[in-house]
Amino acid sequence: RKEVEQDPGPFNVPEGATVAFNCTYSNSASQSFFWYRQDCRKEPKLLMSVYSSGNEDGRFTAQLNRASQYISLLIRDSKLSDSATYLCVVSRTGGGNKLTFGTGTQLKVEL
Amino acid sequence: DGGITQSPKYLFRKEGQNVTLSCEQNLNHDAMYWYRQDPGQGLRLIYYSQIVNDFQKGDIAEGYSVSREKKESFPLTVTSAQKNPTAFYLCASSDSWVTGNGYTFGSGTRLTVV
Repeated sequence: RKEVEQDPGPFNVPEGATVAFNCTYSNSASQSFFWYRQDCRKEPKLLMSVYSSGNEDGRFTAQLNRASQYISLLIRDSKLSDSATYLCVVSRTGGGNKLTFGTGTQLKVEL
Repeated sequence: DGGITQSPKYLFRKEGQNVTLSCEQNLNHDAMYWYRQDPGQGLRLIYYSQIVNDFQKGDIAEGYSVSREKKESFPLTVTSAQKNPTAFYLCASSDSWVTGNGYTFGSGTRLTVV
Protein backbone atom coordinates (compact mmCIF):
# COMPACT_ATOMS: atom_id res chain seq x y z
CA ARG A 1 0.00 0.00 0.00
CA LYS A 2 1.29 3.45 -0.90
CA GLU A 3 1.97 5.82 1.99
CA VAL A 4 -0.27 8.45 0.44
CA GLU A 5 -2.92 7.61 -2.16
CA GLN A 6 -4.83 10.00 -4.37
CA ASP A 7 -7.13 9.63 -7.36
CA PRO A 8 -5.01 10.95 -10.26
CA GLY A 9 -7.99 12.38 -12.15
CA PRO A 10 -8.22 14.44 -14.26
CA PHE A 11 -11.28 16.10 -12.80
CA ASN A 12 -12.84 18.26 -15.53
CA VAL A 13 -15.32 20.72 -14.06
CA PRO A 14 -17.09 23.85 -15.32
CA GLU A 15 -16.18 27.21 -13.90
CA GLY A 16 -18.15 27.90 -10.73
CA ALA A 17 -18.50 24.25 -9.77
CA THR A 18 -17.65 22.77 -6.38
CA VAL A 19 -15.10 19.97 -6.49
CA ALA A 20 -13.72 17.69 -3.79
CA PHE A 21 -10.49 15.70 -3.67
CA ASN A 22 -9.75 12.86 -1.32
CA CYS A 23 -6.56 11.36 -0.03
CA THR A 24 -5.79 8.41 2.25
CA TYR A 25 -2.59 7.81 4.17
CA SER A 26 -1.18 4.65 5.71
CA ASN A 27 0.86 5.87 8.70
CA SER A 28 -1.49 6.33 11.64
CA ALA A 29 1.27 8.12 13.57
CA SER A 30 1.53 11.00 11.07
CA GLN A 31 1.08 14.36 12.76
CA SER A 32 1.09 17.01 10.05
CA PHE A 33 -0.90 17.27 6.87
CA PHE A 34 -0.86 19.67 3.95
CA TRP A 35 -2.26 20.35 0.53
CA TYR A 36 0.14 21.66 -2.10
CA ARG A 37 -0.68 22.98 -5.54
CA GLN A 38 1.59 22.27 -8.51
CA ASP A 39 1.19 23.95 -11.87
CA CYS A 40 2.46 22.20 -14.99
CA ARG A 41 6.27 22.02 -15.00
CA LYS A 42 6.52 24.22 -11.90
CA GLU A 43 7.42 23.65 -8.28
CA PRO A 44 4.81 22.69 -5.67
CA LYS A 45 3.49 25.55 -3.56
CA LEU A 46 1.89 25.24 -0.15
CA LEU A 47 -1.87 25.74 -0.44
CA MET A 48 -2.85 25.09 3.15
CA SER A 49 -2.13 23.06 6.21
CA VAL A 50 -4.83 20.66 7.39
CA TYR A 51 -5.92 20.68 11.01
CA SER A 52 -7.93 18.13 12.97
CA SER A 53 -10.83 20.52 13.43
CA GLY A 54 -10.95 21.32 9.73
CA ASN A 55 -9.97 24.68 8.32
CA GLU A 56 -10.99 27.08 5.61
CA ASP A 57 -9.10 29.60 3.51
CA GLY A 58 -11.40 31.54 1.23
CA ARG A 59 -12.89 29.11 -1.28
CA PHE A 60 -10.80 26.21 0.01
CA THR A 61 -11.78 23.90 2.88
CA ALA A 62 -9.63 21.08 4.22
CA GLN A 63 -10.80 18.26 6.47
CA LEU A 64 -8.92 15.56 8.35
CA ASN A 65 -10.37 12.30 9.64
CA ARG A 66 -7.68 10.64 11.75
CA ALA A 67 -9.77 7.56 12.52
CA SER A 68 -10.18 6.79 8.81
CA GLN A 69 -6.77 8.25 7.87
CA TYR A 70 -8.44 10.39 5.27
CA ILE A 71 -7.89 13.98 4.13
CA SER A 72 -10.08 16.03 1.84
CA LEU A 73 -9.92 19.32 -0.02
CA LEU A 74 -13.05 21.13 -1.16
CA ILE A 75 -12.88 23.95 -3.70
CA ARG A 76 -15.98 26.11 -4.06
CA ASP A 77 -16.81 28.40 -6.99
CA SER A 78 -13.88 27.05 -8.97
CA LYS A 79 -11.96 29.42 -11.26
CA LEU A 80 -10.02 28.77 -14.44
CA SER A 81 -6.91 29.67 -12.44
CA ASP A 82 -7.54 26.74 -10.08
CA SER A 83 -6.49 24.35 -12.86
CA ALA A 84 -3.46 22.54 -11.47
CA THR A 85 -2.40 19.32 -9.77
CA TYR A 86 -3.17 19.11 -6.06
CA LEU A 87 -0.75 17.15 -3.92
CA CYS A 88 -1.72 15.56 -0.62
CA VAL A 89 1.24 15.65 1.78
CA VAL A 90 1.73 13.85 5.06
CA SER A 91 4.52 14.01 7.63
CA ARG A 92 6.59 10.96 8.36
CA THR A 93 7.55 9.56 11.72
CA GLY A 94 11.08 8.65 12.76
CA GLY A 95 12.47 12.10 13.40
CA GLY A 96 13.01 15.13 11.26
CA ASN A 97 10.56 17.13 9.23
CA LYS A 98 10.32 14.68 6.33
CA LEU A 99 7.21 14.76 4.20
CA THR A 100 5.63 12.15 1.93
CA PHE A 101 3.96 13.50 -1.20
CA GLY A 102 1.07 11.89 -3.02
CA THR A 103 1.19 11.66 -6.79
CA GLY A 104 -1.46 14.36 -7.09
CA THR A 105 -4.94 14.88 -8.47
CA GLN A 106 -5.22 16.89 -11.65
CA LEU A 107 -7.98 19.50 -11.87
CA LYS A 108 -9.07 21.17 -15.11
CA VAL A 109 -11.59 23.98 -14.81
CA GLU A 110 -13.32 24.78 -18.09
CA LEU A 111 -15.52 27.60 -19.41
CA ASP B 1 12.38 38.98 -1.31
CA GLY B 2 13.34 35.77 0.49
CA GLY B 3 13.27 32.51 -1.36
CA ILE B 4 15.11 29.53 -2.75
CA THR B 5 17.11 29.74 -5.95
CA GLN B 6 17.95 26.67 -7.97
CA SER B 7 20.30 26.74 -10.92
CA PRO B 8 20.51 25.95 -13.67
CA LYS B 9 16.90 25.65 -14.77
CA TYR B 10 17.80 23.11 -17.47
CA LEU B 11 20.86 20.86 -17.48
CA PHE B 12 22.03 18.34 -20.03
CA ARG B 13 24.48 15.67 -19.00
CA LYS B 14 26.39 13.16 -21.00
CA GLU B 15 26.47 9.62 -19.73
CA GLY B 16 29.36 9.09 -17.34
CA GLN B 17 29.54 12.72 -16.20
CA ASN B 18 29.01 14.08 -12.73
CA VAL B 19 26.94 17.26 -12.49
CA THR B 20 26.16 19.55 -9.57
CA LEU B 21 22.82 21.25 -9.02
CA SER B 22 22.87 24.44 -7.01
CA CYS B 23 20.39 25.35 -4.27
CA GLU B 24 20.65 28.59 -2.28
CA GLN B 25 18.14 30.00 0.22
CA ASN B 26 17.97 33.36 2.00
CA LEU B 27 15.08 32.43 4.28
CA ASN B 28 17.37 31.65 7.22
CA HIS B 29 15.88 28.15 7.28
CA ASP B 30 17.71 25.42 9.16
CA ALA B 31 16.48 22.39 7.21
CA MET B 32 16.93 21.70 3.51
CA TYR B 33 15.86 18.84 1.27
CA TRP B 34 16.34 17.40 -2.21
CA TYR B 35 13.56 15.58 -4.02
CA ARG B 36 13.24 14.23 -7.51
CA GLN B 37 10.00 14.04 -9.45
CA ASP B 38 9.34 11.66 -12.32
CA PRO B 39 6.19 11.66 -14.49
CA GLY B 40 3.32 9.90 -12.76
CA GLN B 41 5.22 9.54 -9.50
CA GLY B 42 5.20 11.51 -6.30
CA LEU B 43 8.22 13.42 -5.10
CA ARG B 44 10.91 11.10 -3.73
CA LEU B 45 13.37 12.18 -1.07
CA ILE B 46 17.04 12.00 -2.04
CA TYR B 47 18.87 13.71 0.86
CA TYR B 48 17.99 16.06 3.67
CA SER B 49 19.88 18.27 6.07
CA GLN B 50 18.48 19.28 9.44
CA ILE B 51 21.24 21.75 10.19
CA VAL B 52 24.49 23.03 8.75
CA ASN B 53 27.32 20.46 8.56
CA ASP B 54 24.85 17.60 8.85
CA PHE B 55 22.94 15.61 6.22
CA GLN B 56 21.15 12.27 5.98
CA LYS B 57 20.22 9.89 3.18
CA GLY B 58 16.65 9.83 2.04
CA ASP B 59 14.84 7.04 0.22
CA ILE B 60 16.81 7.09 -3.03
CA ALA B 61 20.29 8.39 -2.17
CA GLU B 62 22.26 5.94 -4.32
CA GLY B 63 24.18 7.76 -7.04
CA TYR B 64 23.83 11.15 -5.36
CA SER B 65 25.94 13.19 -2.93
CA VAL B 66 25.41 16.46 -1.05
CA SER B 67 27.23 18.88 1.24
CA ARG B 68 26.00 21.46 3.72
CA GLU B 69 28.95 23.69 4.55
CA LYS B 70 26.86 26.84 4.79
CA LYS B 71 23.35 27.33 6.12
CA GLU B 72 22.27 28.96 2.85
CA SER B 73 23.57 26.32 0.46
CA PHE B 74 22.78 22.65 -0.19
CA PRO B 75 24.24 21.52 -3.54
CA LEU B 76 23.39 18.13 -5.01
CA THR B 77 25.83 16.16 -7.15
CA VAL B 78 24.41 13.58 -9.52
CA THR B 79 27.17 11.07 -10.12
CA SER B 80 27.71 8.64 -12.96
CA ALA B 81 26.56 5.89 -10.58
CA GLN B 82 22.98 7.18 -10.81
CA LYS B 83 21.49 4.90 -13.45
CA ASN B 84 18.43 6.93 -14.39
CA PRO B 85 19.17 10.59 -13.62
CA THR B 86 16.74 12.21 -16.06
CA ALA B 87 14.15 13.90 -13.81
CA PHE B 88 12.90 17.15 -12.32
CA TYR B 89 14.95 17.97 -9.22
CA LEU B 90 13.43 20.08 -6.48
CA CYS B 91 15.20 21.67 -3.54
CA ALA B 92 13.16 22.73 -0.51
CA SER B 93 13.69 24.26 2.89
CA SER B 94 11.77 24.52 6.14
CA ASP B 95 12.09 26.78 9.15
CA SER B 96 13.25 23.91 11.32
CA TRP B 97 13.53 20.16 11.26
CA VAL B 98 10.73 19.86 13.79
CA THR B 99 7.67 18.12 12.39
CA GLY B 100 4.87 20.40 11.40
CA ASN B 101 6.61 22.83 9.13
CA GLY B 102 5.65 22.96 5.48
CA TYR B 103 8.29 23.36 2.83
CA THR B 104 9.21 26.20 0.51
CA PHE B 105 10.44 24.92 -2.85
CA GLY B 106 12.82 26.30 -5.41
CA SER B 107 11.73 26.43 -9.04
CA GLY B 108 13.56 23.20 -9.87
CA THR B 109 16.21 21.93 -12.27
CA ARG B 110 15.31 19.68 -15.20
CA LEU B 111 18.16 17.27 -15.81
CA THR B 112 18.35 15.32 -19.04
CA VAL B 113 20.93 12.71 -19.94
CA VAL B 114 21.94 12.90 -23.59
